Amino acid sequence: AQSVSQHNHHVILSEAASLELGCNYSYGGTVNLFWYVQYPGQHLQLLLKYFSGDPLVKGIKGFEAEFIKSKFSFNLRKPSVQWSDTAEYFCAVMQDSNYQLIWGAGTKLIIKP
Amino acid sequence: DSGVTQTPKHLITATGQRVTLRCSPRSGDLSVYWYQQSLDQGLQFLIQYYNGEERAKGNILERFSAQQFPDLHSELNLSSLELGDSALYFCASSVMTSGGGEQFFGPGTRLTVL
Repeated sequence: AQSVSQHNHHVILSEAASLELGCNYSYGGTVNLFWYVQYPGQHLQLLLKYFSGDPLVKGIKGFEAEFIKSKFSFNLRKPSVQWSDTAEYFCAVMQDSNYQLIWGAGTKLIIKP
Repeated sequence: DSGVTQTPKHLITATGQRVTLRCSPRSGDLSVYWYQQSLDQGLQFLIQYYNGEERAKGNILERFSAQQFPDLHSELNLSSLELGDSALYFCASSVMTSGGGEQFFGPGTRLTVL
């Protein structure tokens, strides 16, 4: 079965630290890739997405992600985090053959002020 | 605001009862997805409808059912409720035939079963 793996369930960083959240998937075909964010008490919002083209994708709030096909990875990065980035981050993958998203378990990010 | 609406925002009920959660997708979106989010299980895909027809099933219990109506709104029915059904239930919608499958999420319904 297809799966999405997020390596860290909890990450704690200080403000201004750099962030990288890992995401790996198991499907070998064409995929669309997403990162969603859920701020405390809110619904999921799209952070960024990759469909095709440049594998380095820039999203909202200074986030970016790099699709590395050979590694089946789509890691999320931010050079300098802020307290307001405290949230849960979900990686999701959609196979080209259907329109279902396969979700990772999420990573809870806590930024210490 | 994603354009997806869900009602009610909060629901408190007792074990054994039945509730109905409602979702209106974004204008133009034909596909609706239901998710359950709980502390112990995380985000779980329940079921997907496309233009009125069931498209995919995830980890949906037999006590749960859903439907999508001709006006594209959807309802999730939860019956014989148990304490463990307490969770946040999200609805999402997407165009599905184009746009790469991006899903837009509603604000959720928080269900508390006492």
